[in-house]
Amino acid sequence: KQEVTQIPAALSVPEGENLVLNCSFTDSAIYNLQWFRQDPGKGLTSLLLIQSSQREQTSGRLNASLDKSSGRSTLYIAASQPGDSATYLCAVTASGYALNFGKGTSLLVTP
Amino acid sequence: SQTIHQWPATLVQPVGSPLSLECTVEGTSNPNLYWYRQAAGRGLQLLFYSIGIDQISSEVPQNLSASRPQDRQFILSSKKLLLSDSGFYLCAWSPRTGMSYNEQFFGPGTRLTVL
Repeated sequence: KQEVTQIPAALSVPEGENLVLNCSFTDSAIYNLQWFRQDPGKGLTSLLLIQSSQREQTSGRLNASLDKSSGRSTLYIAASQPGDSATYLCAVTASGYALNFGKGTSLLVTP
Repeated sequence: SQTIHQWPATLVQPVGSPLSLECTVEGTSNPNLYWYRQAAGRGLQLLFYSIGIDQISSEVPQNLSASRPQDRQFILSSKKLLLSDSGFYLCAWSPRTGMSYNEQFFGPGTRLTVL
C-alpha cells in the first residue's frame, strides 16, 4: 500500500525566505506526483504536476522536483510571502485512479 | 476554462438522516469524476471515482453511494448518516484518457457535520 509522508508537519518562516517542503512515498512505481495548496476551509488548488518521466516542474516562484527511484519530491518556494501561508499537500498516483495524499505541511509566512 | 461547483457549501444533519451532495463540472466533456473525504486529523481519502456514466467504482466500503446522472454531474448520497460521516467532502475531475495519470482539479468542498 502506498504511503505518503510529508515533513515537516508545520513550518514558520519570516517573509522573504526561501524554503523547501519534503514529500516521500514508499512505492516508486508511480504515474505522477502532484502538489496542492489548501487554504483553511477551502478546496485544493493544483500547483504543479510532475509525470513519472520528468525530474522537475516550475511555475513562478515554485519549483518541484521528483526523484522516483528514492521515493522523494521537494517543493521549493522562493522569496516567500505572507500570501503563501497555507497547507501544502503532496499526492501520488500509483495505480488505478486514486491520488494518495500525505497529511500536508502547514506553512506560516510572517511579515 | 473549466469550473467545478459543489453544493451545499456547508451542511449540518442529524444522525440517521439522508444525504445528497452535488458536484458539476463546466467547460469540459467526458471528465473522470472523483469524490474524496478529508476527515479531521486524517489525510484525503478517495471514496468513489467514475470514468463514465454508469461506470462508478468504490474505493472503500462505507455508508455512502455515488451516482452520475449526467456526464458532468456527480452525486454523493447516503440513506442514513452516521457520526463518522462527518468531514470535508471534495469533488474533483480530470481529463479522460486511457491512463490514470492526468492532473486532478478540485472543487470548493462541502463541510458536513453529523450530530
